[in-house]
Amino acid sequence: DTGVSQDPRHKITKRGQNVTFRCDPISEHNRLYWYRQTLGQGPEFLTYFQNEAQLEKSRLLSDRFSAERPKGSFSTLEIQRTEQGDSAMYLCASSSAGSSYEQYFGPGTRLTVT
Amino acid sequence: AQSVTQPDIHITVSEGASLELRCNYSYGATPYLFWYVQSPGQGLQLLLKYFSGDTLVQGIKGFEAEFKRSQSSFNLRKPSVHWSDAAEYFCAGPGGSNYKLTFGKGTLLTVNP
Repeated sequence: DTGVSQDPRHKITKRGQNVTFRCDPISEHNRLYWYRQTLGQGPEFLTYFQNEAQLEKSRLLSDRFSAERPKGSFSTLEIQRTEQGDSAMYLCASSSAGSSYEQYFGPGTRLTVT
Repeated sequence: AQSVTQPDIHITVSEGASLELRCNYSYGATPYLFWYVQSPGQGLQLLLKYFSGDTLVQGIKGFEAEFKRSQSSFNLRKPSVHWSDAAEYFCAGPGGSNYKLTFGKGTLLTVNP
C-alpha cells in the first residue's frame, strides 16, 4: 500500500491554457473524490467516482472542469481555459466500500494560474 | 445545514504545553467525525476518527479527541506538544450523499520553542 499519489505536485500555467492532473488511489479503494482547497479554507468537494462511474458533481465544478476514471483505477481532472480563480490546491482522496467515510488523501496538486 | 465549525483560526502554544483544538458540529444524528492534519504544501493526514461507541478516541502521534453530544463538540487534544506538531488541523464530518466530507476552515497551530 503506497497511499494516494498525485501528479504533478505543482503546476504553473498561463490564463487560458488547459491543464490535466492525475490521481492514483489506493489500489483496493473503489471510491475516489476530488476536492479543491483555497488559501485559508478547508477542502471543498468537487466530484465523486464509484469505480468508473462519476456519480456526483458539485456546483463548484463549472463546465470548464471535467473528470474521468476510465478503468476504475486512476482518475484525471482537466481544467480548460484556466482562470486566475482556478488557482488552488487540488486534492484527491480515496476510500474503500468497507470504510466509506474514511478517506485517505494524496499530497495534492498546487495550481497557479498567472 | 449540516456542518463542522472550527472557532479558532490560529493558536500558538509553547513546546511541551498541552493543546486543545475546538470543533463544533451541527448534525441531527450522531455523525462520523474526523481530524486531519496538513503540513505546509502537503495533503491531509488522518489523525483519528469517531464513528460510535467510546466517546474518547485515540489517534496517531499522541493525539486524542472527545465526542461530547451535550456540547456538540469533538475537540482534539494532546498533553504535550512537540515542535513537529506545527501544522494546520482540520475537523471534518459528513457532507451529504456519497460519503463526501465537509471540512471546517482549519486551525493553524504554531509551536514556540
